[in-house]
Amino acid sequence: GENVEQHPSTLSVQEGDSAVIKCTYSDSASNYFPWYKQELGKRPQLIIDIRSNVGEKKDQRIAVTLNKTAKHFSLHITETQPEDSAVYFCAAALSGSARQLTFGSGTQLTVLP
Amino acid sequence: GAGVSQSPSNKVTEKGKDVELRCDPISGHTALYWYRQSLGQGLEFLIYFQGNSAPDKSGLPSDRFSAERTGGSVSTLTIQRTQQEDSAVYLCASSLALVGGSSYEQYFGPGTRLTVT
Repeated sequence: GENVEQHPSTLSVQEGDSAVIKCTYSDSASNYFPWYKQELGKRPQLIIDIRSNVGEKKDQRIAVTLNKTAKHFSLHITETQPEDSAVYFCAAALSGSARQLTFGSGTQLTVLP
Repeated sequence: GAGVSQSPSNKVTEKGKDVELRCDPISGHTALYWYRQSLGQGLEFLIYFQGNSAPDKSGLPSDRFSAERTGGSVSTLTIQRTQQEDSAVYLCASSLALVGGSSYEQYFGPGTRLTVT
């Protein structure tokens, strides 16, 4: 089955700096890669996703890149703000199948004011 | 419209007791998922329901865990003879997953925090 590894497990950045979280996956057939943000005590929420027919996707300060050859994808947050502090989870799935998402172990991002 | 709801929000039970956790998915969502999140850990897949198909139970950690989805809507996760290691937040999610189509966003419920004493 799919295995997703995520790093770093914790990340602290100064407000205004950029943050990068990286994930690797094992199943070359996976083609859907969402990122979820979970604030303390709250439910995970989708912030951005990418499908394997594109290499990069941006949404304001958030971008995700995908390298299918190397089987890794990354989340980039620019101009970080204190409200970006949360746990971020990457995930991988085979689009169109009955498989569920396989999640990474999460990254605790802390943005220092 | 209403999001995914779960009940109870918190459950404290004694070791050896059975518990039932409920999930109400978003109306019209055909796919429903259960995950377990231990303190400071990631999301561990438990079980997946898609329409009228047989559920994918590959993530259930033991035969003490079972789940049902009645009428293609509400789901109940049952844990029998609870153990302390079952203590975790149990999250339910639903999506508009279409068999043969594209994956859709999973919308999570607020979770049920289970504490086994």
